[in-house]
This record gives sequence, structure tokens and C-alpha cells, in this order.
Amino acid sequence: QKEVEQNSGPLSVPEGAIASLNCTYSDRVSQSFFWYRQYSGKSPELIMSIYSNGDKEDGRFTAQLNKASQYVSLLIRDSQPSDSATYLCAVPAGGTSYGKLTFGQGTILTVHP
Amino acid sequence: GAVVSQHPSWVICKSGTSVKIECRSLDFQATTMFWYRQFPKQSLMLMATSNEGSKATYEQGVEKDKFLINHASLTLSTLTVTSAHPEDSSFYICSALLIRDRDNSPLHFGNGTRLTVT
Repeated sequence: QKEVEQNSGPLSVPEGAIASLNCTYSDRVSQSFFWYRQYSGKSPELIMSIYSNGDKEDGRFTAQLNKASQYVSLLIRDSQPSDSATYLCAVPAGGTSYGKLTFGQGTILTVHP
Repeated sequence: GAVVSQHPSWVICKSGTSVKIECRSLDFQATTMFWYRQFPKQSLMLMATSNEGSKATYEQGVEKDKFLINHASLTLSTLTVTSAHPEDSSFYICSALLIRDRDNSPLHFGNGTRLTVT
């Protein structure tokens, strides 16, 4: 089992819809979870971080964490064409909170007008 | 906000030559920087952890003699790809942590360097 797995894509949603991105992780001691967005040819940029069970909302983005199920998701409401990118779920390696990240394989999201 | 600067943005070199990539933290000190590599249509893979004033720690499968890392100051880490070959062509991305935010801190990434070896 991979350490961090994301739902297979690509994911295509119409403009204005909700895009749902999922991620599971294998290390039960993980405490920090991050969602990065990566445009083609660019480096990742952090869009959400979550550390506690439940939901965390930031604008159109909502991260959901369920440590018991080892599951973290990202919802994008009112999706825009500019949201089209690859979304990467990342978990600190070895379950620590210190810098080394293990990334999922990424989910390509396309928002079509 | 905090910024990590990476140079060059892209480089093309001939097989057998060496290429140096610089990673700078512009407005904060970074005792630790990380070097990632991303092949086309793949995710980021950690190559090594760069520690200021000490030897880098390499991930399994990464040749330390081929990918030389120097972290001589609190704001600069360099990655040198020695005797580059076409299979080294990739997107190299550095990242850094703010010292004061070591716990639960997300990484700040540089803009990446696209290396093409011909």
C-alpha cells in the first residue's frame, strides 16, 4: 500500500460545481495534512493545511480530516476554470510534523466552462 | 510573506556536464532545506534533506556522489547534478521551513528548475 493515495483522476467538473478530491494515508501517527495545487510547469503552492479531525474552511476550499479512517479530502465549491490544476495531498514522512513530505500521485482537475 | 527563490528556472546541458541549482530563502533563515524531483506526470519525490553546516541526508536510491548538496549558509543551499545524463532530466524543486515554525509548518517551495540533458 502506498503511503499516500489519491483518488484516480482525471476529474472533470462544470464551472460552478463542487469538486471533491480524496486522499488516504497509511501512517496512523500522522498529525499534519496538506493540500497543494500545482499548475502545469509550476511548483506546488499550499492551499490548505489541516491538523484536527473535522472540517476546515477557507474561502471556497474545505478540507475534511478523519484520522480514524485515515482519510483527508478537499472540497472546492463554485469551481472555476482557474482551479484547473493538479492537486497534491501531502503528509509528513514518518508521521512527524517536520518538513519532509510524502506526496500522493496527484489528481488532475479540469473545470470546464 | 516568506519566499524561496530558485535559480535557474530552466537549464539545458549536454550529457556529461554538471549543473548547479541554487535555492535561497529570501526573508527568513532556513537551517533545513529539502530537494525534491518530479518526473513528467509523476508526483514529487524527496531526494535529500539539506542541513546547514553539515552533510545532507539522502533518500534511499538517490546517489549522493551524483547529486552534491551544499548548505553553507542559513539562506542558501545548492544542488549540483554531476555528470548529467538524459535520465536526470526532470523538474527539481527546493523547499524550506521557517525556523520559528518547525512544528506543523507547511513547506515553502521554490519555483523549480527544469533540467533538460541532451
